[in-house]
Amino acid sequence: DTEVTQTPKHLVMGMTNKKSLKCEQHMGHRAMYWYKQKAKKPPELMFVYSYEKLSINESVPSRFSPECPNSSLLNLHLHALQPEDSALYLCASSQEGGQKVTYGYTFGSGTRLTVV
Amino acid sequence: AQTVTQSQPEMSVQEAETVTLSCTYDTSESDYYLFWYKQPPSRQMILVIRQEAYKQQNATENRFSVNFQKAAKSFSLKISDSQLGDAAMYFCAWGGTSYGKLTFGQGTILTVHP
Repeated sequence: DTEVTQTPKHLVMGMTNKKSLKCEQHMGHRAMYWYKQKAKKPPELMFVYSYEKLSINESVPSRFSPECPNSSLLNLHLHALQPEDSALYLCASSQEGGQKVTYGYTFGSGTRLTVV
Repeated sequence: AQTVTQSQPEMSVQEAETVTLSCTYDTSESDYYLFWYKQPPSRQMILVIRQEAYKQQNATENRFSVNFQKAAKSFSLKISDSQLGDAAMYFCAWGGTSYGKLTFGQGTILTVHP
């Protein structure tokens, strides 16, 4: 298995809803990432989990809450989002944990989130 | 801090022709890795090619090759025999051994004309 699987592919939620995004990989990768991407812009890093521990939080608002239940699974819990949070949310994994990113990332196909 | 610059917001090429996408970067590290990613409208980011900074030989993957100039901190992507399926946004990215994340450029939108 050489894929990163993200569900759902599309999500529409109201500003008072609570929802979760899910990401799964079975490549034995030691680091997993959440990115937010607006149209025609590069992905913006949100969180990094290395060896199942949160290692980087790029000052993301608390309405986004990451969770790494095990080495293969990464969740992003969403609550009280704003319309400006509408974006493509990408999950990625990399082979090494720690500070190295020598082989790049394997990306999922993303969740298109719309906040109404 | 590492920075990656893609100076061409948009490029276009005729089918079967060759196009080169530019990327420059700034780093004080000596051991690092460079990547080109392709993001078609289907939105999944796909790794196109990877270059190890300590290797002088330019990486090649089929129709895709790079021109890596370490002293100039330049890492351009050449696409030969362009195909309609090459149309996408291309991101250059830098990865090191002490930051735990990739640094991306702003991207170049490539259009391929039949």
